[in-house]
Amino acid sequence: EPEVTQTPSHQVTQMGQEVILRCVPISNHLYFYWYRQILGQKVEFLVSFYNNEISEKSEIFDDQFSVERPDGSNFTLKIRSTKLEDSAMYFCASCRKQGQAFYGYTFGSGTRLTVV
Amino acid sequence: ILNVEQSPQSLHVQEGDSTNFTCSFPSSNFYALHWYRWETAKSPEALFVMTLNGDEKKKGRISATLNTKEGYSYLYIKGSQPEDSATYLCAPVSRSSYKLIFGSGTRLLVRP
Repeated sequence: EPEVTQTPSHQVTQMGQEVILRCVPISNHLYFYWYRQILGQKVEFLVSFYNNEISEKSEIFDDQFSVERPDGSNFTLKIRSTKLEDSAMYFCASCRKQGQAFYGYTFGSGTRLTVV
Repeated sequence: ILNVEQSPQSLHVQEGDSTNFTCSFPSSNFYALHWYRWETAKSPEALFVMTLNGDEKKKGRISATLNTKEGYSYLYIKGSQPEDSATYLCAPVSRSSYKLIFGSGTRLLVRP
């Protein structure tokens, strides 16, 4: 069964450093998402991406964050100047659309980011 | 879609017990509802995607119903097994960019 893969599975970084979280969506999916879950809190939507641009972003997704699809397979989340409160599990997801319906919404297994 | 509520927050049952959880959500601008089963350190596993009012879906011992007019969905597990222990998340979806808005989940622990 097709999978969304995320790397690395764990990342420890020092406060103020930049990190890039990587995701390889399912190959025929064109809609991409990032979510995060801070320990003990709800899974939160960060950003959706389609046709090489952001289609929607939450208020969490400020100038510190950016997303990119640098080639035909990867979808990345960059966090500049990380803060302690960025420590969370970050999930990538992808899906496809047929007509007006969305299909195959699939999550990766996540990257646990720890900022120290 | 905001204010997705799941109850109970956690549930401890004995193996063989049947159980159910509730997800409530604002019914306006509804497009679909996803149920996920999530074990720590794994991807959320899709259980059901429900779209129509009155939908009932079943997968083995797990089933779900949907009421879009009053804004709730129930997830049922018949004859719980220890391997059912996980967090169960619901996530309604609005029509815009198909982002999922998650509830806080119900953490189920099934004791052998």
